Amino acid sequence: SQELEQSPQSLIVQEGKNLTINCTSSKTLYGLYWYKQKYGEGLIFLMMLQKGGEEKSHEKITAKLDEKKQQSSLHITASQPSHAGIYLCGADRRGSTLGRLYFGRGTQLTVWP
Amino acid sequence: DTGVSQDPRHKITKRGQNVTFRCDPISEHNRLYWYRQTLGQGPEFLTYFQNEAQLEKSRLLSDRFSAERPKGSFSTLEIQRTEQGDSAMYLCASSFTQGVTEAFFGQGTRLTVV
Repeated sequence: SQELEQSPQSLIVQEGKNLTINCTSSKTLYGLYWYKQKYGEGLIFLMMLQKGGEEKSHEKITAKLDEKKQQSSLHITASQPSHAGIYLCGADRRGSTLGRLYFGRGTQLTVWP
Repeated sequence: DTGVSQDPRHKITKRGQNVTFRCDPISEHNRLYWYRQTLGQGPEFLTYFQNEAQLEKSRLLSDRFSAERPKGSFSTLEIQRTEQGDSAMYLCASSFTQGVTEAFFGQGTRLTVV
């Protein structure tokens, strides 16, 4: 079973629109990681969040971790076709091997021109 | 060294055959992980090495699976007597040891068992 719940499962947006992907855990997260995956390829690291309330941005992508460290969101501003792909959240869990990540099922993002 | 390298990228094998995959991590990284990903799912942890020591194995890693990391450098994952259920993407990742740190993934090996 998946440790993390991602929503939505898929997302289709028009180029230029903003969008948000959510990642929720029932357990406290030690570290939260966002990755992007093109179909049939490996994972590309986007951002890591560790502290409650933390927010990080890179280019047009912003990720936040809530104060309780059980929910994270990934926000893309002014989406472009290059943003298309599968977005995966992964997390370390307290009491688990450091670096062993538990992943959500992913959110499939399609951006149409 | 530009990243984690996996070989081969694709492997098609007949049921019952043995297959071996190789992973070359980023050279400064002493942690190495293997994951398996099936269609529509996120990656699932298989096993983990710190240097040459295999420190954890998932229940997913049946007796037919074996992984090694001789000399703490590259790693191999072998599947014996492959089954159709072994068809998946096998991903390797590496990271530093200290603290919470991001893992960098390779491009994966796509295994198809026919």
